[in-house]
Amino acid sequence: NAGVTQTPKFRVLKTGQSMTLLCAQDMNHEYMYWYRQDPGMGLRLIHYSVGEGTTAKGEVPDGYNVSRLKKQNFLLGLESAAPSQTSVYFCASRPMSSYEQYFGPGTRLTVT
Amino acid sequence: AQSVTQLGSHVSVSEGALVLLRCNYSSSVPPYLFWYVQYPNQGLQLLLKYTTGATLVKGINGFEAEFKKSETSFHLTKPSAHMSDAAEYFCAVSDLGTNAGKSTFGDGTTLTVKP
Repeated sequence: NAGVTQTPKFRVLKTGQSMTLLCAQDMNHEYMYWYRQDPGMGLRLIHYSVGEGTTAKGEVPDGYNVSRLKKQNFLLGLESAAPSQTSVYFCASRPMSSYEQYFGPGTRLTVT
Repeated sequence: AQSVTQLGSHVSVSEGALVLLRCNYSSSVPPYLFWYVQYPNQGLQLLLKYTTGATLVKGINGFEAEFKKSETSFHLTKPSAHMSDAAEYFCAVSDLGTNAGKSTFGDGTTLTVKP
């Protein structure tokens, strides 16, 4: 049981490049979330999903897109990376029956 | 709208001393409250949670927190700090049954433990 995994762990992009971050969970959780963590700002919700095939915007969705084609996977895309998107990105999931979230190890993204 | 305020972005204690990390919340409905811990270069892990029932909740590693509705607080304590407690701690609140159970996180408190 791996829990929540994230791929890749590190990435450096140039401004304007695109990339996709993959989150996978093997706990059969319904809900999945993408956050970004910046120093002194806690975690801010980017997008979330309440089930396969559904997604919704969070607090800071601009510049990001997501997809949840399979229940166990939640993809975060950056269409045209900007230096302001330099951050650590965390994926989390939770079951319908509980409000506690299970986090992945994070992806450290640098945009130059 | 729900919100969380963690008082003190950095707290430093000596090994063996009391740890007190403060959290105040606002919520329009009875909240679920959480404390998470983040060790360097890792994701967040659940430390403890309050849902209903007993207002003093115990978590892992000797931590506990008390839900005080009248003070809208959920402070985290540990009687005796250990070097391994050095980490960043996040308080979070979830509204029940709304907004897909989204959690709002505080800005975090970094705990330093001095030998």
